[in-house]
This record gives sequence, structure tokens and C-alpha cells, in this order.
Amino acid sequence: DTGVSQNPRHKITKRGQNVTFRCDPISEHNRLYWYRQTLGQGPEFLTYFQNEAQLEKSRLLSDRFSAERPKGSFSTLEIQRTEQGDSAMYLCASSRKPQGHTDTQYFGPGTRLTVL
Amino acid sequence: KQEVTQIPAALSVPEGENLVLNCSFTDSAIYNLQWFRQDPGKGLTSLLLIQSSQREQTSGRLNASLDKSSGRSTLYIAASQPGDSATYLCAVRPDSNYQLIWGAGTKLIIKP
Repeated sequence: DTGVSQNPRHKITKRGQNVTFRCDPISEHNRLYWYRQTLGQGPEFLTYFQNEAQLEKSRLLSDRFSAERPKGSFSTLEIQRTEQGDSAMYLCASSRKPQGHTDTQYFGPGTRLTVL
Repeated sequence: KQEVTQIPAALSVPEGENLVLNCSFTDSAIYNLQWFRQDPGKGLTSLLLIQSSQREQTSGRLNASLDKSSGRSTLYIAASQPGDSATYLCAVRPDSNYQLIWGAGTKLIIKP
């Protein structure tokens, strides 16, 4: 396994701009998750894909946020009209189909977004 | 609504001590529970996963227990080392969906 990769690692943008992040999961992992983490807090779930289907979305994922996973491989998370409150670490994770109740999620290094 | 709480928020102990980190959750209908480690500015590393039917899991110096009925899990670290210094997070996957619900973490400092 080469691990989950995320790009870019850091993004600084001005309020009102659009940003897009990319996540490449571990190959053979058909499940992909996006989370957001602010300082001193645990991550918050944003959305979940099984293959190319987006099966769950958090209420945190406002209409300014959209995620895609074309062809069930990499995923992108886009934030439109960024606000200062969007500043956070955006984490991507992937997992394989569970065996029993074991579906360990493997996380990427995250993309740190700063909105000025 | 599932809520996950971790106590204490921070812990500082001398090297060599055994220690216990606590995690509590409000809804016992869980699929599994995971403990993660997070180093400053870095992503999350899975340490142990306990399935809902299991009582404990062990990996090296780490042992995690699960008591679903009381809504509690503990992470036991034996013979702590400075390299164990990190934030430890507990996350619960509910029966009803695929997301993980997280505690805020315990920041652990092991003093040489």
C-alpha cells in the first residue's frame, strides 16, 4: 500500500474564492471519506463514497461544498465562495469492504486550508 | 444522537509509567470503535479497532477495551515512552451509517 495521498498539502486563499482538493485513496479501497478538523477538536464527517456513489452527506456539507469520485478512484472536494469559517484541515480516508465489523479507515496527511 | 467524550483532555506523565485513556459514548448501537493517534500537523494513524462483538484488542504495548453496555472504552499504554507523545482520539462508527463520530482527543506528553 502506498497510502492515501492528498493534494495540495496547504492552501491559502482569499475569502470568496473557490478551492478544490484532491484525494487519492489506497488502491483496491472502494470506500472513501472526507472529514474536516479544526484546532483542538476531533474530525467531523463530511461525506462518504462507495465506489463512485456518494452515499452519505453531513449537514455540514452546505451547498457551497461538493464532492465527486468519478470512476470510483480519486476524489475531489470543492468549496465555492470560501468563508473564513472554512479554514480547517480537510482529511481524506479510505477503507476496503469490511470483513466482519472491521473496516479500518486509513487517513491521508490532510490539506490545510487558510481563508484570509 | 451519538456523542463521544474523552477524558482527560491532556495528560503528562513520566516515562515508564503505565497509563489509561478514557472514551465514553452515549449510544451503544455501534458497529465498531477505533483508537487513533495524531502527531502535530499530521494525519491520523489507526492504532486499534474493536468490533462491536469484541471486548478488547491488543497491539504491542497497547490494549483497548470495549464495554458497549456502559458506553465506555479504554486505551491502556504500558511502559510509556517519549515517542508515545501525541494526541489520542477515539472514534465510534454507529450501526446505522458509515461515518466515524469522534471525541476531541487526549493530548499525551511523556516526559523523559
